[in-house]
Amino acid sequence: LAKTTQPISMDSYEGQEVNITCSHNNIATNDYITWYQQFPSQGPRFIIQGYKTKVTNEVASLFIPADRKSSTLSLPRVSLSDTAVYYCLVHTGTASKLTFGTGTRLQVTL
Amino acid sequence: DGGITQSPKYLFRKEGQNVTLSCEQNLNHDAMYWYRQDPGQGLRLIYYSQIVNDFQKGDIAEGYSVSREKKESFPLTVTSAQKNPTAFYLCASTSDQGAVTQYFGPGTRLLVL
Repeated sequence: LAKTTQPISMDSYEGQEVNITCSHNNIATNDYITWYQQFPSQGPRFIIQGYKTKVTNEVASLFIPADRKSSTLSLPRVSLSDTAVYYCLVHTGTASKLTFGTGTRLQVTL
Repeated sequence: DGGITQSPKYLFRKEGQNVTLSCEQNLNHDAMYWYRQDPGQGLRLIYYSQIVNDFQKGDIAEGYSVSREKKESFPLTVTSAQKNPTAFYLCASTSDQGAVTQYFGPGTRLLVL
């Protein structure tokens, strides 16, 4: 399983764009990159998933460089409700064990 | 509505007691998982099952047991052998079709009396 490294915490003001970078130097050819969001006392919620280049959905964008050794989750114009822990996972494309690290705790303030 | 349900939301365990946490899904997913989360920490995998009547130990299986008699159900028993059971327990499921996305239940918080 590829190991991931991401910042422990980040702070942002409401309305700003937030970029959270995850390093995964030993990512395998068949691995996908998935980001989850978790609010206190709730289960993690899927945000976005990608394999290469850029993926965008209604809540976030995921940028993956050509070497795939890192990825960046971009949250446009964050609000107070985006305060949460964000997890970066690297995994194969079949039902298998997933490894959640400690994630990045994002604090959004006015 | 499709999803994962966990019950109860809060559970209290007495010393030496076994307790069972319920997890049910109606997503028709083959694989199900149990995680434990301690305050300020990430999730740690306890057990997982990729198909009915089969399951594997995760990273912290000691003191826990599971069963998978039905596709939609994956109950977790916290036994008396688990000396530090106080934690937030999360159940998840996933389809094994193509790229994997795990869907999580709302969690059960277990406290020791």
